[in-house]
Amino acid sequence: QIQLVQSGPELKKPGESVKISCKASGYTFTDYAMHWVKQAPGKGLKWMGWINTYTGKPTYADDFKGRFVFSLEASASTANLQISNLKNEDTATYFCAREAINYGSYFDYWGQGVMVTVSS
Amino acid sequence: DIQMTQSPASLSASLGETVTIECRASEDIYNGLAWYQQKPGKSPQLLIYNANSLHTGVPSRFSGSGSGTQYSLKINSLQSEDVASYFCQQYYDYPQYTFGAGTKLELK
Repeated sequence: QIQLVQSGPELKKPGESVKISCKASGYTFTDYAMHWVKQAPGKGLKWMGWINTYTGKPTYADDFKGRFVFSLEASASTANLQISNLKNEDTATYFCAREAINYGSYFDYWGQGVMVTVSS
Repeated sequence: DIQMTQSPASLSASLGETVTIECRASEDIYNGLAWYQQKPGKSPQLLIYNANSLHTGVPSRFSGSGSGTQYSLKINSLQSEDVASYFCQQYYDYPQYTFGAGTKLELK
């Protein structure tokens, strides 16, 4: 069955970096785009951007340009999100989500989420 | 960018009741709309796509409708397991995607 399994919770200090992973199984990884979604505590969902899993090209939403990097380990069917120079406002749960049909569609499978806490 | 305005922000309803949640887009999104359910501590789950298509395995008491800029999610005969937050998402404006702010549904 299709699964997206994300790495475990992270506790970081301001200014540090974090890298979280999303391992896909049950389908051909390079056939479907992967998206990243942020959810701050008690808040709604915010789309961060996506990565073309075939070419490796990332696209970032305006609010996530600069400190955020999407990458792949395609041989391991894994997408990664790295956040550098962490700020308190980066405290959130980060989800990966598979796009059902490439180039403009809904998200049919989601990872379980990774809670990132930034605190001094 | 297309903005999504979702209402109400919260909703209290009784078991067996029919509930409707609305989403308005800032411009025509040509049915490029999905609805997700998120239970506390869990990841969102797809309910409806293309405005009115029921995702596999989703109970038929959930339905979606709308066109243009106005869309709605209806839950018939509310069950206790439907207590959750609900989010709309537009994907017409590829490669920019937008979520509504969410609706928290509680039991009365």
